Amino acid sequence: GENVEQHPSTLSVQEGDSAVIKCTYSDSASNYFPWYKQELGKRPQLIIDIRSNVGEKKDQRIAVTLNKTAKHFSLHITETQPEDSAVYFCAASMAGFQKLVFGTGTRLLVSP
Amino acid sequence: GAVVSQHPSWVICKSGTSVKIECRSLDFQATTMFWYRQFPKQSLMLMATSNEGSKATYEQGVEKDKFLINHASLTLSTLTVTSAHPEDSSFYICSARGSFGSNTGELFFGEGSRLTVL
Repeated sequence: GENVEQHPSTLSVQEGDSAVIKCTYSDSASNYFPWYKQELGKRPQLIIDIRSNVGEKKDQRIAVTLNKTAKHFSLHITETQPEDSAVYFCAASMAGFQKLVFGTGTRLLVSP
Repeated sequence: GAVVSQHPSWVICKSGTSVKIECRSLDFQATTMFWYRQFPKQSLMLMATSNEGSKATYEQGVEKDKFLINHASLTLSTLTVTSAHPEDSSFYICSARGSFGSNTGELFFGEGSRLTVL
């Protein structure tokens, strides 16, 4: 089955800096890669996603890149703000949008 | 976006009792729902896939007789933790994938249910 690895597990940055979180997946059949943000005690919220026919996608300060050959994808947050502090999870899903397999999570702390 | 509601949001029970958690899709029909379990500071681990009108598909290592899943309608799936023990204490989150629109693949998550077994 699919296995998703994520790193770093924790990331501390200063407000205004950029943050990058990286994930690798094992199943070459996976073709949908969402990123979720989860605040303490709350449900995960989708922040951006990418499909395998696209190499990069951007939404304001957030961008995701995908390298299908290497089977890795990354989340980029620019101009970080304290409210970006949360746990971020990457995930991968196979064709037909079957179950999502989540990465281990990255705790991002943005200091003012 | 679509709304998934989960109830109860938290529950405390005695060891040996059973607890039922409900997951409802409020404004769309969910042909498939997923139940996840999340321990503190850990990732979401898929427990089972619930399909309307058929038996749930459990992930390896998840006891189907302990975690009973029923998906009797297109808007409701339930997870029953039977004979709960302290090690079952966790955050249980459901998610739903609808059969609407172009099916973007996005999952919509419920608020989660925090179970504490004494």
